[in-house]
Amino acid sequence: GAVVSQHPSRVICKSGTSVKIECRSLDFQATTMFWYRQFPKKSLMLMATSNEGSKATYEQGVEKDKFLINHASLTLSTLTVTSAHPEDSSFYICSARSPQAENTEAFFGQGTRLTVV
Amino acid sequence: GQNIDQPTEMTATEGAIVQINCTYQTSGFNGLFWYQQHAGEAPTFLSYNVLDGLEEKGRFSSFLSRSKGYSYLLLKELQMKDSASYLCAVMDSNYQLIWGAGTKLIIKP
Repeated sequence: GAVVSQHPSRVICKSGTSVKIECRSLDFQATTMFWYRQFPKKSLMLMATSNEGSKATYEQGVEKDKFLINHASLTLSTLTVTSAHPEDSSFYICSARSPQAENTEAFFGQGTRLTVV
Repeated sequence: GQNIDQPTEMTATEGAIVQINCTYQTSGFNGLFWYQQHAGEAPTFLSYNVLDGLEEKGRFSSFLSRSKGYSYLLLKELQMKDSASYLCAVMDSNYQLIWGAGTKLIIKP
């Protein structure tokens, strides 16, 4: 099946710094990628939909200036957590769907465990 | 509003059968997905139903009734490695995935 690679898998950063997370579709071109955040024992919360070549669509309550999303190519989307605070510590997951068929399974990256100290 | 309901937690015995239910109310329907998620890992795809009926895939089966807004995931011959959270997700009319909160399945020897 299609593979989505997310990097890094774990990152620890100091409060006030920025962290970039990469999401790559390895064997298909993803015009749309999705960024999720997951709190412990909670389900996935969609943060934003990343569209190649255009601005990301953010869900209500998600600060676009804090969570910068760039989808510069058909195989790469990045999420940058700016001026990170301890409350941003969470599990961030990206997913992508093949554009050949819209109603297909989402392929997930491995996830990134962010810890802000 | 859009809503996906599934039990928070279930416990079952190794070797037994367990059924995890999911009910949904969404704006349109373009299929229902079941994912398995182990702690600290990303979800992995289990099944996809878009037509009514039962889809069987090895030890796992998934059932859908669109008229009732209902699905279940059936796990047979439970193994300890099946201990995980199981997420139900519905694709709405905009092809967005609406996620349930997940069911934590605990398998006991």
